[in-house]
Amino acid sequence: GDSVTQKQGQVTLSEDDFLFINCTYSTTTYPTLLWYVQYPGQGPQLLLKVTTANNKGISRGFEATYDKGTTSFHLQKASVQESDSAVYFCALVDQTGGYKVVFGSGTRLLVSP
Amino acid sequence: NAGVIQTPRHKVTGKGQEATLWCEPISGHSAVFWYRQTIVQGLEFLTYFRNQAPIDDSGMPKERFSAQMPNQSHSTLKIQSTQPQDSAVYLCASSSTGGADAETLYFGSGTRLTVL
Repeated sequence: GDSVTQKQGQVTLSEDDFLFINCTYSTTTYPTLLWYVQYPGQGPQLLLKVTTANNKGISRGFEATYDKGTTSFHLQKASVQESDSAVYFCALVDQTGGYKVVFGSGTRLLVSP
Repeated sequence: NAGVIQTPRHKVTGKGQEATLWCEPISGHSAVFWYRQTIVQGLEFLTYFRNQAPIDDSGMPKERFSAQMPNQSHSTLKIQSTQPQDSAVYLCASSSTGGADAETLYFGSGTRLTVL
């Protein structure tokens, strides 16, 4: 079945550092790829979505680009803030037999002031 | 818009007892999803409904777990004879199935189930 892989369990940065979170995916279809963010005590919320039609998503200073050749979908931000501290999940929409969202294992981002 | 409402926020059960978790989706959303979140397994898909009909329950444990959606305004996840390994945060999400916002899951804050 479809899957996504996040190898970075935790990333620790200082404010104004550059953020890069790695994500790769496996699917037999043309995927819709997503990044969700989860703050403590809350459910995940959509950060941005990318389809094969647009290849790139931008939201709240975060950017993700879909690369079909390397099956990657990395998340970047030029300058992180302490308020960006959260868990970030890469995900894809599995469209086989209906649809469901398959999540990666998550990357915890800690940003110190 | 109150968002997806899950009750209770916390539930503690003894081993072997039954637990019922409730979810109220966003009004007008036609799809409801259940996920389980643990540190070890991450976010695991359990099941989902569209227009109240079960579509995919491939993530549901075959025994003791069941989900229903008797009407548009709520869904339940029932765990019979709870075991310590059922301890997790159970998340409900809803989505529309048309328009630009289709496929975006709106999650509730979850129910933290602790089985002693």
